[in-house]
Amino acid sequence: EDQVTQSPEALRLQEGESSSLNCSYTVSGLRGLFWYRQDPGKGPEFLFTLYSAGEEKEKERLKATLTKKESFLHITAPKPEDSATYLCAVQALAGKSTFGDGTTLTVKP
Amino acid sequence: DSGVTQTPKHLITATGQRVTLRCSPRSGDLSVYWYQQSLDQGLQFLIHYYNGEERAKGNILERFSAQQFPDLHSELNLSSLELGDSALYFCASSLATGSTEAFFGQGTRLTVV
Repeated sequence: EDQVTQSPEALRLQEGESSSLNCSYTVSGLRGLFWYRQDPGKGPEFLFTLYSAGEEKEKERLKATLTKKESFLHITAPKPEDSATYLCAVQALAGKSTFGDGTTLTVKP
Repeated sequence: DSGVTQTPKHLITATGQRVTLRCSPRSGDLSVYWYQQSLDQGLQFLIHYYNGEERAKGNILERFSAQQFPDLHSELNLSSLELGDSALYFCASSLATGSTEAFFGQGTRLTVV
């Protein structure tokens, strides 16, 4: 069974304090790994798709990386508006998607 | 605004009843995905349709069914509702099938009493 584990569950940072979120996964053939951001009461917002080990993608203060077993979401010099829950998901070759429980990030000014 | 429209936004119904949730995908998107998000189980993939055909199934209960119509809108039907079915139900759409950028709607909050 496909599995996604995100750590830590919660992360509190000071504004400007860089850190990383982890997503460990097992999947029966990876079609893609996704990162989403979700604000309370809203639908997830797409951030990145990674397809193969060694791939990296960047968007503003966020950078996602992928290995064969895990993905990291690096946040550089975060701002309070980066506070949200970050979700990781894998899609298997058969098409089924599995989400992790998320990391709730709080950035204090 | 993601361009994905879900109706209704809120729904309160009694146990044993049946409800229909509706999703209109972004213009041009052929894929529609349904998810359930509850406090104790996180975001669970239910089902994926592409251009009217079912493409993948997740942990969708037999009491639940979905379809995608020729105009590409989709409906999720939930029957014989139980208290545990209370959750946020999200629809997402993408241009194609497979690993592509997906856009989520704002969700339908279902409360079963």
